[in-house]
Amino acid sequence: GAGVSQSPSNKVTEKGKDVELRCDPISGHTALYWYRQSLGQGLEFLIYFQGNSAPDKSGLPSDRFSAERTGGSVSTLTIQRTQQEDSAVYLCASSYGHPDGYTFGSGTRLTVV
Amino acid sequence: LAKTTQPISMDSYEGQEVNITCSHNNIATNDYITWYQQFPSQGPRFIIQGYKTKVTNEVASLFIPADRKSSTLSLPRVSLSDTAVYYCLVVLNTGFQKLVFGTGTRLLVSP
Repeated sequence: GAGVSQSPSNKVTEKGKDVELRCDPISGHTALYWYRQSLGQGLEFLIYFQGNSAPDKSGLPSDRFSAERTGGSVSTLTIQRTQQEDSAVYLCASSYGHPDGYTFGSGTRLTVV
Repeated sequence: LAKTTQPISMDSYEGQEVNITCSHNNIATNDYITWYQQFPSQGPRFIIQGYKTKVTNEVASLFIPADRKSSTLSLPRVSLSDTAVYYCLVVLNTGFQKLVFGTGTRLLVSP
């Protein structure tokens, strides 16, 4: 597609439930990134996929968070046993490898109640 | 990559020029300075990148002194639609890398 697509755009879930957030990157972009942005805060790096290399998971805040990227394209970020502090906007970006080539999606706003 | 420091917020009025300065004292030889802009309810978008001296595009200008320890993003004649958060990042010029965002500068443009 023309841009990075994320779904759902909004998600309200109960504490303790699992959620899956989806990211569809720009076709041909081999790198995919997940970030989290809490209200009024900057972006917090979560995880980064590049081609067939092992993902950089250094930003995942706990083992409740995981992500996969199937076929080098679509990625799913899974949060298990959600907590209220997980409430944030989750942003996905894809890149072709140049700093001006990062394209972000509009994010998924997750609210844990 | 070098840590960046920029003001938390700035206020301006329509039609004024806005300059946002970022310091990056530990910038390395291979690092470039890149600025992103984020509107409410959207992801950040690239606006400008430079290595040294001055870079200008249709959106902004970027001034980088010879020592490269700081940079200034200049927005000419801002409008209400320039209200956004502006992030200064130090990046490698090429290759795959994760972008490390600070807290950014929240610019509010008033009528």
